[in-house]
Amino acid sequence: DAGVTQSPTHLIKTRGQQVTLRCSPKSGHDTVSWYQQALGQGPQFIFQYYEEEERQRGNFPDRFSGHQFPNYSSELNVNALLLGDSALYLCASSFGVDHYGYTFGSGTRLTVV
Amino acid sequence: AQSVSQHNHHVILSEAASLELGCNYSYGGTVNLFWYVQYPGQHLQLLLKYFSGDPLVKGIKGFEAEFIKSKFSFNLRKPSVQWSDTAEYFCAVITGNAGNMLTFGGGTRLMVKP
Repeated sequence: DAGVTQSPTHLIKTRGQQVTLRCSPKSGHDTVSWYQQALGQGPQFIFQYYEEEERQRGNFPDRFSGHQFPNYSSELNVNALLLGDSALYLCASSFGVDHYGYTFGSGTRLTVV
Repeated sequence: AQSVSQHNHHVILSEAASLELGCNYSYGGTVNLFWYVQYPGQHLQLLLKYFSGDPLVKGIKGFEAEFIKSKFSFNLRKPSVQWSDTAEYFCAVITGNAGNMLTFGGGTRLMVKP
């Protein structure tokens, strides 16, 4: 059990559509980070949320947006989906923005057709 | 921008063989270094990490890694692998100018033959 829960586990969308992925952090964690892992590559940092604000952002376009709720859970939204957005999306939780004790979820596999 | 290179994409070993996976990073300042493992169908798990102090760090399941600052390297080692070590291994770094954003290497897929 990873302690970090992501939903759904798999998703198929059509180009141009919008998608929302969800993440519940491990109990006691208040910070959520999102990563994109394309097939055959290492995870790439999308952004991090703490205290319901985006604290850090990687090199991803504005089509990628997020939200953190008062209970620390988080959503990742991707608009105007492209074929290249097909990937495994990983959520990682931690305690505070300066703590490196990440716990990763098992991910959501997004396929864009 | 910082980057992490893992030179071996696929490694095949027999049980009891020794393992060394290479990892190099490009950043001249302070770094924190990590090795993660992803077993088939499971989530990323932390094997070990280096923040400061003794450059030889020991992790779970008999793994260890050595930080060599002059070579910008953080290679992962295990003296004797088991079939259960079959997994994908990722090296990652947090640099002093990047908050706590992890930058990952491309991964090394290890297959251990029984």
